[in-house]
Amino acid sequence: DTGVSQDPRHKITKRGQNVTFRCDPISEHNRLYWYRQTLGQGPEFLTYFQNEAQLEKSRLLSDRFSAERPKGSFSTLEIQRTEQGDSAMYLCASSRGTGEGNQPQHFGDGTRLSIL
Amino acid sequence: GQQVMQIPQYQHVQEGEDFTTYCNSSTTLSNIQWYKQRPGGHPVFLIQLVKSGEVKKQKRLTFQFGEAKKNSSLHITATQTTDVGTYFCAGPKQNFNKFYFGSGTKLNVKP
Repeated sequence: DTGVSQDPRHKITKRGQNVTFRCDPISEHNRLYWYRQTLGQGPEFLTYFQNEAQLEKSRLLSDRFSAERPKGSFSTLEIQRTEQGDSAMYLCASSRGTGEGNQPQHFGDGTRLSIL
Repeated sequence: GQQVMQIPQYQHVQEGEDFTTYCNSSTTLSNIQWYKQRPGGHPVFLIQLVKSGEVKKQKRLTFQFGEAKKNSSLHITATQTTDVGTYFCAGPKQNFNKFYFGSGTKLNVKP
């Protein structure tokens, strides 16, 4: 179990630029979640994949956000035309499981995004 | 907005005192999970409760799921400085795909 890996750890960019984050889940986990966390708040659900299928996307997400998991392994989260309000920690988590029921989620260390 | 609320937001205790955090959902949860996040770290899974009225213990930690499956609590007996961190409850809404985290309770333990 090598854990969930996220890259980069930190990203600083100017407002209006596009950014892409990568998440490598635990290899045998077929479920993958993306969350956003700001200071003093709990992780906020963004989107969920089961294998390569994106099954849920938060209505809070604007069209500037897109996520993919092309082969059911690693996932990418892209934010286009970044805004100040996008500054946050972006967390990826993975878990086992198919069908109904939830399993423990294993989180990566996150990507901290700072918009100048 | 948050679907799952937690109280209190902060708790400062002296080492050896007990601590409890409460989690309330506006809707029935099929299950509830608890996570701990140390300062500068990521959430780490503690436990999952599934059955109505379920109680589970992990050493000094006692977790409870309400009869109506809308609330839960975490109680720590005789806190230690290693218990410092933010404790989150989390549960799925409507189906098992969307997962909502509570606002968290930040615990500080004075030695």
